[in-house]
Amino acid sequence: KQEVTQIPAALSVPEGENLVLNCSFTDSAIYNLQWFRQDPGKGLTSLLLIQSSQREQTSGRLNASLDKSSGRSTLYIAASQPGDSATYLCAVIKAAGNKLTFGGGTRVLVKP
Amino acid sequence: EPEVTQTPSHQVTQMGQEVILRCVPISNHLYFYWYRQILGQKVEFLVSFYNNEISEKSEIFDDQFSVERPDGSNFTLKIRSTKLEDSAMYFCASRGAGPKTGELFFGEGSRLTVL
Repeated sequence: KQEVTQIPAALSVPEGENLVLNCSFTDSAIYNLQWFRQDPGKGLTSLLLIQSSQREQTSGRLNASLDKSSGRSTLYIAASQPGDSATYLCAVIKAAGNKLTFGGGTRVLVKP
Repeated sequence: EPEVTQTPSHQVTQMGQEVILRCVPISNHLYFYWYRQILGQKVEFLVSFYNNEISEKSEIFDDQFSVERPDGSNFTLKIRSTKLEDSAMYFCASRGAGPKTGELFFGEGSRLTVL
């Protein structure tokens, strides 16, 4: 059974600092990995999708890496801003069309 | 930008009552999902739906739950007789077809409170 873990559960940084969020999964046979942002009481906003054949994906200040063999992904957010404060979730999918398995999320606070 | 829309945003119901949560997926998407998130817990998979039938369901999705795509645009989740433990945020998601199109898009959620 796939287990997804995100450490740390919470993170507080001063504005301008780079953020590093970690995600690990137990079964390396994944189809892709997706990072989401969730604001309090809101839905999930897709940030990045990394397919199993890729090692990284970039969008603006966001960069996500994937190391399937070690079961890890890292989300980097450069030059953090207070507006980046949210919970960040990673999720993996085993095969096309199948369910996403989510981690517990990392709650980020960027202090001005 | 196309988005997944869900109604209602919040529903309060009495235990034992039936509840229907509605979703309008992105128009050209073919795979539809329901997930739920109990307060403070992980997002959990409930069911996936493709080609007018359930393709996978979790152990949470028992006989009290059902899904339907009554027309070309709506996708509904019905809970027949709600229990206190059904209180959660319910998310609908959809994705497109094709081997490289794996990205799921989620709605804003429907918060269900069972009293």
